[in-house]
Amino acid sequence: EMVLTQSPDTLSLRPGERATLSCRAGQSLSVPYLAWYQQRPAQAPRLLIYAVSTRAPGVPQRFSGGGSGTDFTLTISRVEPEDSAVYFCQQYADWWTFGQGTKVEIK
Amino acid sequence: QVQVQESGPGLVKPSQTLSLTCTVSGVSIDSSDYYWSWIRSHPEKGLEWIGYISSSGTTLYNPSFKTRVTMSIERSKRQFSLDLTAVTAADTAVYYCAAGILDFGVGLGWFDPWGRGTLVTVSS
Repeated sequence: EMVLTQSPDTLSLRPGERATLSCRAGQSLSVPYLAWYQQRPAQAPRLLIYAVSTRAPGVPQRFSGGGSGTDFTLTISRVEPEDSAVYFCQQYADWWTFGQGTKVEIK
Repeated sequence: QVQVQESGPGLVKPSQTLSLTCTVSGVSIDSSDYYWSWIRSHPEKGLEWIGYISSSGTTLYNPSFKTRVTMSIERSKRQFSLDLTAVTAADTAVYYCAAGILDFGVGLGWFDPWGRGTLVTVSS
């Protein structure tokens, strides 16, 4: 099973700061098959990024994805209060598995 | 816009069958663009893909569920369903239905949208 490990568990930031979330795959993803989601409390998960770096329709430009091989990142260039949520990654290169999530808190 | 919404009992007794339904709106359930999927979120294990059913009825299940999972589709009701047999406390989780996106050259890729999820507790 392709294990995805996210770090940090929690990220506490002030509005306007940059957030960098990591997703590490247990084996190299030879193809760019990685997605990112945002889940606010009591809401459905929302697709942010697919194919490593393609933003889903309607997703603000401050969200960007990157990486290759085993190391992938989701960056929020300048966090806003509404970005307070849990973010998780998902790979679709080898069945479908998810990371355990990173909680982003906005102070 | 595509929407999906789970429904079903919130409490199931051990050894019984967990049955959930997902209602699709905003798109035909016959659309070949989607693999209708179930995912669950366990408090300790995190998110786990359970399986999918295509509009033609083709299914693929996570091997970790062995023979306990069955998915079906009811086109007239715009619904697809999940049955999980012989449940134990370990099956207590939030269950999500989602539209799995078919990507050219990839097959099933990412999930968009998801339902809000429904908590199912396995307890006597």
